[in-house]
Amino acid sequence: LAKTTQPISMDSYEGQEVNITCSHNNIATNDYITWYQQFPSQGPRFIIQGYKTKVTNEVASLFIPADRKSSTLSLPRVSLSDTAVYYCLVGSNYGGSQGNLIFGKGTKLSVKP
Amino acid sequence: DVKVTQSSRYLVKRTGEKVFLECVQDMDHENMFWYRQDPGLGLRLIYFSYDVKMKEKGDIPEGYSVSREKKERFSLILESASTNQTSMYLCASRTRPTSVETQYFGPGTRLLVL
Repeated sequence: LAKTTQPISMDSYEGQEVNITCSHNNIATNDYITWYQQFPSQGPRFIIQGYKTKVTNEVASLFIPADRKSSTLSLPRVSLSDTAVYYCLVGSNYGGSQGNLIFGKGTKLSVKP
Repeated sequence: DVKVTQSSRYLVKRTGEKVFLECVQDMDHENMFWYRQDPGLGLRLIYFSYDVKMKEKGDIPEGYSVSREKKERFSLILESASTNQTSMYLCASRTRPTSVETQYFGPGTRLLVL
């Protein structure tokens, strides 16, 4: 099972770019990397997913090196409303078994004015 | 938009009580999940259901059971609540896995067991 390691917390200021790295040394061939965002008193919300190289959407970018043993979530020009916990998730979309989906412990991002 | 609702936002129960947490999704999703979330431990999977009447144990099933009699509803049952089950409980659903795995979460139920 591919476990993940993330920094416990990060601080940033408004307008800065924030990069959060997740390590997943035992990632399997079929595994995708997914990031979720969670605000206080809410359930997590899907942000972005990738398999290799780079993925970008309106919210974030995801960088995955060739060996796929880590990934970096990049949030451009953060605002106070980006203060949240960010989870890195590694798992397979095939087979239907839940046993191979694992959430990391999350990174608490604090954005200051 | 996908909507996942949970029966209560806050719940206070006594040790030994039987507790039911209900989750309903409106998108005809096959898969449903129950997690608990504790400070410093992130999300931990309790049970997973991949279809009606189907269930699989997650990482921490002890002290819990589940019921999936209808596709839209997934219930978590604490047979005899204990203080160490005080936690935030999150329900989620998703379609049968495809090339994009997205789980949709409910708002959570914060349970306090006295």
